[in-house]
Amino acid sequence: QQQVKQSPQSLIVQKGGISIINCAYENTAFDYFPWYQQFPGKGPALLIAIRPDVSEKKEGRFTISFNKSAKQFSLHIMDSQPGDSATYFCAAISGGTSYGKLTFGQGTILTVHP
Amino acid sequence: KAGVTQTPRYLIKTRGQQVTLSCSPISGHRSVSWYQQTPGQGLQFLFEYFSETQRNKGNFPGRFSGRQFSNSRSEMNVSTLELGDSALYLCASSLVGGGSDTQYFGPGTRLTVL
Repeated sequence: QQQVKQSPQSLIVQKGGISIINCAYENTAFDYFPWYQQFPGKGPALLIAIRPDVSEKKEGRFTISFNKSAKQFSLHIMDSQPGDSATYFCAAISGGTSYGKLTFGQGTILTVHP
Repeated sequence: KAGVTQTPRYLIKTRGQQVTLSCSPISGHRSVSWYQQTPGQGLQFLFEYFSETQRNKGNFPGRFSGRQFSNSRSEMNVSTLELGDSALYLCASSLVGGGSDTQYFGPGTRLTVL
């Protein structure tokens, strides 16, 4: 019940295209959903996050869409650039006593071709 | 503001040995979480510390332990190393470890067990 499932495992997009990564969760206690971006040799860095009472959140070229009834959320990267090539992780955490415990999806390796 | 620092960056150990990894959080952050990252299992939560107390623990054997000092610096220890412990160990700090607290990750310590 703690799982977060992420797809696809890898994604190849042309420069200027739209990258879409999907995640699904089971635990309805999750109430905060961050996305992290990780470059080789670096730790993950927060990209954007959303709460389930919001259906969409946009920050620059990055948008999270959230479907609470389906327990699914997705990351859209508009106008994808070669510099966006990285591994993306969705994650979830619940308030209350889940101190510091992010549950991560398996990750998506994004490659943006110039 | 300096980011999360982890030392050492790389370690090579042999089976049966023990290892200690160190994490210095961002100044002012009191919560430190530890994660194990492997290609097969992805990012998995190990434990979280706040004010020198472990508040949360993941599903890892007792060989994995940690502690936090009064200055919020944290260490994790793995005893009786196994080949399967080879991984990138990441620590993340946040203000208080609450659900929506952004976790800032360090670059990780790459542990190789031979």
